[in-house]
Amino acid sequence: GESVGLHLPTLSVQEGDNSIINCAYSNSASDYFIWYKQESGKGPQFIIDIRSNMDKRQGQRVTVLLNKTVKHLSLQIAATQPGDSAVYFCAFFPRGQGYQKVTFGTGTKLQVIP
Amino acid sequence: DSGVTQTPKHLITATGQRVTLRCSPRSGDLSVYWYQQSLDQGLQFLIQYYNGEERAKGNILERFSAQQFPDLHSELNLSSLELGDSALYFCASPTSAGGPPPGELFFGEGSRLTVL
Repeated sequence: GESVGLHLPTLSVQEGDNSIINCAYSNSASDYFIWYKQESGKGPQFIIDIRSNMDKRQGQRVTVLLNKTVKHLSLQIAATQPGDSAVYFCAFFPRGQGYQKVTFGTGTKLQVIP
Repeated sequence: DSGVTQTPKHLITATGQRVTLRCSPRSGDLSVYWYQQSLDQGLQFLIQYYNGEERAKGNILERFSAQQFPDLHSELNLSSLELGDSALYFCASPTSAGGPPPGELFFGEGSRLTVL
């Protein structure tokens, strides 16, 4: 498969533990945020989103936290599994804008240790 | 499977050459976005087409061009290739017209271009 994330920050987590991946953004006008998962050789896949009028949103085994004060977004993965190994990156949108104006983060590589 | 199809998956060519990357969006989606992902870089928006017409342009070089055909498939043409053009090129189609609200964007598996 493709080598994604050779030089990215890496988070190594034991299988079954919780993972926390962080993302900082600079544009205070951002009002919509998405976390993506990109497995080696694959395209990015939507995980979860959150709007700026929320500070927390939960999905299946994933939680996104938004701290607008410090412009910080985090993704928490509960009970991390080997299939969670991938590069995770955030995306943030200026207010009212779509995918033409989105900024994607460079990502964090999650390695799950069996 | 996102439903977005890209070909070829891999392409190796030499500097100065020209290549064409092809994308078929999800069935029923009118919009196509092209992104470039260089090694360990964030995705960079190149260009968007909607129902055959260019809708938005991002950081696309003049050596690059794209079009969307009546059957909604799209092609990204890269010419006078340079070493720095080596990257993954993704095509994506959204659940909506692209924003606002943005909706979910479905990515293809990408075309990896290597320029030697």
